[in-house]
Amino acid sequence: GEDVEQSLFLSVREGDSSVINCTYTDSSSTYLYWYKQEPGAGLQLLTYIFSNMDMKQDQRLTVLLNKKDKHLSLRIADTQTGDSAIYFCAESPLHGSSNTGKLIFGQGTTLQVKP
Amino acid sequence: EAQVTQNPRYLITVTGKKLTVTCSQNMNHEYMSWYRQDPGLGLRQIYYSMNVEVTDKGDVPEGYKVSRKEKRNFPLILESPSPNQTSLYFCASRTGNSPLHFGNGTRLTVT
Repeated sequence: GEDVEQSLFLSVREGDSSVINCTYTDSSSTYLYWYKQEPGAGLQLLTYIFSNMDMKQDQRLTVLLNKKDKHLSLRIADTQTGDSAIYFCAESPLHGSSNTGKLIFGQGTTLQVKP
Repeated sequence: EAQVTQNPRYLITVTGKKLTVTCSQNMNHEYMSWYRQDPGLGLRQIYYSMNVEVTDKGDVPEGYKVSRKEKRNFPLILESPSPNQTSLYFCASRTGNSPLHFGNGTRLTVT
């Protein structure tokens, strides 16, 4: 079946690195996504990785994909208080050979950054 | 500006009173979808539409209806809302393999 799992809470100190982990079940997923949700706001796309890549870096963000273990992680370097938010991992599974457009989301990880 | 617009942002209603949450996108996206967000459950898909006049059930469609008469609009209809439909609702759209673009959400309370 389709399932995405994340831990619910992570607390770090300002300036430290944060690592948010995610596991998924559908090996057909072509893209995997990280979204950020600030309080009272919608979901903002942070970054995404194509399934044939192992790593993607974008400024302070590093995404690592271990396709064998179906494990995705998001590392935020030099975490700031403005990074406090809920982070959602999502996969985009295929059905047959078609991309239905559906995203399967994890429960979200609340990142708390302490000054 | 490319965006997904939902209205209203906040809605308080009573059990059984029909309501509609509107969603409109200006990016000419084929795919549109509704999700609900509940604490500890993440986002769960209610309905989606691959294109005009094509709609399909998601994972939690009970108690909801949708329509897709035009490409830009995808309203969510609750014919007889109940308290268990109190939630935060998001509309989203995409084209091809592009990421989903989300609206800012509608917080619905049913008393």
